[in-house]
Amino acid sequence: DADVTQTPRNRITKTGKRIMLECSQTKGHDRMYWYRQDPGLGLRLIYYSFDVKDINKGEISDGYSVSRQAQAKFSLSLESAIPNQTALYFCATSDPDQIGYTFGSGTRLTVV
Amino acid sequence: AQTVTQSQPEMSVQEAETVTLSCTYDTSESDYYLFWYKQPPSRQMILVIRQEAYKQQNATENRFSVNFQKAAKSFSLKISDSQLGDAAMYFCAYYWPGSARQLTFGSGTQLTVLP
Repeated sequence: DADVTQTPRNRITKTGKRIMLECSQTKGHDRMYWYRQDPGLGLRLIYYSFDVKDINKGEISDGYSVSRQAQAKFSLSLESAIPNQTALYFCATSDPDQIGYTFGSGTRLTVV
Repeated sequence: AQTVTQSQPEMSVQEAETVTLSCTYDTSESDYYLFWYKQPPSRQMILVIRQEAYKQQNATENRFSVNFQKAAKSFSLKISDSQLGDAAMYFCAYYWPGSARQLTFGSGTQLTVLP
């Protein structure tokens, strides 16, 4: 099994729908991140969490919310999806002794 | 705020040749890390190489090497003996341990390898 698992791998949803992207990890890392990738913009940070009780906004958090259900699980929600949220979404983890991240394989979300 | 700039949206290289991807960054910190990630069509983010800013020696991993110019805030990736499997999107990224351990990414360079 992958160290960081994202589900679903691909998803098409309609404008206005609520959708949740899920991330789970077996690394035992406390720190988890959600990034969004858009062509020509690279990856941008949406939210990050240092532990279950510590959740922080990144540079593009508007329109998104997150839930850290356990050390191993960090979900990203779009309360009312809009077309410009169409993107590739990555979950990642790290720990204090690790320089760099472990990434999931991404969720490609299309909002129509 | 730290920024990372990749000025080459697309590049191509002939198989077996050498190519250099450019990256510049802006920071006021002195102790940080720089990375190159590869993203093939599978979407997986693969760490290619890492450079610690306190090290003067340029990092090397097999056919991949960097030219790290700290004063110029430049961090280029050289791929030698290019292979078809090197075709991918390449992202440069900056990391400062004091910034909540956030990676800041450049916009990416799409590398095509021509047979």
